[in-house]
Amino acid sequence: DGGITQSPKYLFRKEGQNVTLSCEQNLNHDAMYWYRQDPGQGLRLIYYSQIVNDFQKGDIAEGYSVSREKKESFPLTVTSAQKNPTAFYLCASSITSVGQSLQETQYFGPGTRLLVL
Amino acid sequence: KQEVTQIPAALSVPEGENLVLNCSFTDSAIYNLQWFRQDPGKGLTSLLLIQSSQREQTSGRLNASLDKSSGRSTLYIAASQPGDSATYLCAVKGYSGAGSYQLTFGKGTKLSVIP
Repeated sequence: DGGITQSPKYLFRKEGQNVTLSCEQNLNHDAMYWYRQDPGQGLRLIYYSQIVNDFQKGDIAEGYSVSREKKESFPLTVTSAQKNPTAFYLCASSITSVGQSLQETQYFGPGTRLLVL
Repeated sequence: KQEVTQIPAALSVPEGENLVLNCSFTDSAIYNLQWFRQDPGKGLTSLLLIQSSQREQTSGRLNASLDKSSGRSTLYIAASQPGDSATYLCAVKGYSGAGSYQLTFGKGTKLSVIP
């Protein structure tokens, strides 16, 4: 089955701790995205990557870091600099983000809920 | 900066009723508009995607319209069922610079269909 997997489903962070959320896709998509969703809010873009070894900041990148060493994987690290990390984190992918695929939708993973202890 | 607004924030209807969800956006320079469904604690599922040159798209009991010039879209659900209960999100795709395009999301409409 093709799709996007995120792990873990729930993650707990202690004060001052960095935690990493996993996102893997087997859709052979070039572009991958990380969003944050707070209760009653729309999704906000944290980081995105159009191709391996390249990524760009989204609207709320402060306190987060990413890497894109493989096409299939786009892990997100929530650093201790992120003072309000409690949220639902969604990973997505699309064939490409460039203009010739404007009709292409994004496919979403099941999400990871991050809670602070 | 693009802003997307969805009205109402929540809606409760009896089973079998037809209903309309509304979405408005401030910048008409969009490439497409999408409607997504989100079940509690889950990811998003794409329902309909309308290109900027199109006026509407249909899938089963769902019909989405787009009036780009006025910055509005509606999602029409016919003969609603309890299984339609979910949060419906509207998102527009716009150019964000450096050859990339981003989705801007509304906050969603939480729909409850009462048996």
